[in-house]
Amino acid sequence: DAKTTQPNSMESNEEEPVHLPCNHSTISGTDYIHWYRQLPSQGPEYVIHGLTSNVNNRMASLAIAEDRKSSTLILHRATLRDAAVYYCILRDVSGTASKLTFGTGTRLQVTL
Amino acid sequence: GAVVSQHPSWVICKSGTSVKIECRSLDFQATTMFWYRQFPKQSLMLMATSNEGSKATYEQGVEKDKFLINHASLTLSTLTVTSAHPEDSSFYICSASRGGWDDYGYTFGSGTRLTVV
Repeated sequence: DAKTTQPNSMESNEEEPVHLPCNHSTISGTDYIHWYRQLPSQGPEYVIHGLTSNVNNRMASLAIAEDRKSSTLILHRATLRDAAVYYCILRDVSGTASKLTFGTGTRLQVTL
Repeated sequence: GAVVSQHPSWVICKSGTSVKIECRSLDFQATTMFWYRQFPKQSLMLMATSNEGSKATYEQGVEKDKFLINHASLTLSTLTVTSAHPEDSSFYICSASRGGWDDYGYTFGSGTRLTVV
């Protein structure tokens, strides 16, 4: 599985934008970039995913570098409820349903 | 949206007994489901991939005779922890995908906290 690298932790003030970086220099052409987050004592929650183009949804935006070797998850206005561990994962969709391999993720702290 | 229901949310059992955890996809068919284990302050570790109608594929180091997985229908997969011991105490999480050639993302259950005493 192609690996991703994320900072261990980040801090943000409430109602400010947050940019969570992810490096994936060994990404292949059939790898989708997925972001999930996990709140304490809960299962991970899907946030967003993309292949080549930037993506927006109600939760966040995903900015993908032109060479696809890095991406950034953007939370436009962080709230206390966004405090979680954010995982950037590559998923190969060239075959049948493929597994997600979780790294250590980025622990986001949001303060007032 | 896609919903995965996991039951029970927590369970306490005595050492040596078996515990079954259910994972259901409520509004979609899941040909493939995944089982993860998470110890405190650690990331999720994939235990096995469960395919409907066939044997599960276990990750290296996971004992298939201890963690029995059954995926009898397109909406239900079960994980049975047999002869549980205190070291099996963990947070168990399932996930499912609708599959297909396009990428829908995965939906996760809310997890089951197992405590073996």
